[in-house]
Order: sequence, then C-alpha cells, then structure tokens
Amino acid sequence: DSGVTQTPKHLITATGQRVTLRCSPRSGDLSVYWYQQSLDQGLQFLIQYYNGEERAKGNILERFSAQQFPDLHSELNLSSLELGDSALYFCASSPRTSGAYEQYFGPGTRLTVT
Amino acid sequence: GENVEQHPSTLSVQEGDSAVIKCTYSDSASNYFPWYKQELGKRPQLIIDIRSNVGEKKDQRIAVTLNKTAKHFSLHITETQPEDSAVYFCASYYGSGNTGKLIFGQGTTLQVKP
Repeated sequence: DSGVTQTPKHLITATGQRVTLRCSPRSGDLSVYWYQQSLDQGLQFLIQYYNGEERAKGNILERFSAQQFPDLHSELNLSSLELGDSALYFCASSPRTSGAYEQYFGPGTRLTVT
Repeated sequence: GENVEQHPSTLSVQEGDSAVIKCTYSDSASNYFPWYKQELGKRPQLIIDIRSNVGEKKDQRIAVTLNKTAKHFSLHITETQPEDSAVYFCASYYGSGNTGKLIFGQGTTLQVKP
C-alpha cells in the first residue's frame, strides 16, 4: 500500500458522458501527478499539481481537466467521453522536499467507455 | 523531444538466471531514473531508482546502472524467482524543484519459468 488512494476503482459509462476521478495523496505530499495507461500507449503523463497550482502538463486532451484542492486531494475530470478514453487512470504523489522526485502510485481507476 | 526507449519488450528466463532490461533516454537534462514493477491490474510499484550523479545502485537482488554519456540505464535482476514475473517500466524524470514529470518506457514483460 503506497498511501495514495483513488476512487472509484471501476467506472463504466457511455460515450459523450462526463466523469470525475478522485485522488488523495500520501500524507504530507504536496505534488499530485495524473497518468493514463492504455494497452497501446503505455503510461502517459497527463498533468501535475503542486500545492494547488498546475505545474507541468503532458499530452492532456482539452476534454480533460484537473484541479487540486486546499486539502491537497485532486480530481481529474473527463468529458465528452470517447471509446478511446477507456484506460487505467493512475495518480501518484511525491514528497514535499524539493528534489525528491520519487513518485508513489495509487491503485488506479479503471474507466470503461461503452 | 522527451522519449524513453525500452528493450526488450518481452523476456523469458529460467528461475535462478539473471535478467537485464535496458533503456535509453533522449534529454541529457534528465536527472532521475526510477524503475517500476507492475503486476496485472495493479499499481506501478517503485522498486529502485538512481540519480544522475551516481553510476550504480544495488538493493539485494536488483541493481541499476547509469551511463550518462551514452544516455543509457539498465535494470539487473539476479537469481530470478517466479514472483519476479511482472511488467517492468523504466522512466526518466524531466524537471527540477517541485515541477516535473516522468516519461515511461514501453515496458518489459518478464516471465520467470520455474
């Protein structure tokens, strides 16, 4: 157990819908990262937040957005869902110390778009 | 651009043999290189990491080597056991301070035959 929690574990929804995935980082960690893992694309970085502020962005689609709240939990919002958005979505957190780059992953949310 | 190449994509060894997985990264500014083990349907788990100011790091049966000049790093597992069977991902960290991201290799499926 990494100490990072994610809800829900599984999500099944239809094309065109919108979903919200939630992540709570390890106690004391200020950084949250979101990754998408699909069969053909491997683990892809989406976005990073640090203490409520967006810090780094990957190839995140415009239909996707994220935020980090004052209590440091983060939410990833996926809208106008397409079949190709079906994937495992992981969040990770890293220690607050600058230069501590290790990231600890949550259990993931499996999204199935039908 | 940022890219990590990982080889081989699959690796099958006999129990007790050694396994080696190799990665190449593209950006010489990258300064942190973790390895993750992922079992089917589970989260990536950090197993070892190395920073750019170190050439080798060992932890029991696993070791990682880094050649900054060639931009190569490798994972070595000795005395493999069936429970080592999993997908292994290398990654390269791009960033500094509290801003950055991991770029992952495509993964290596390791099968250890008893």
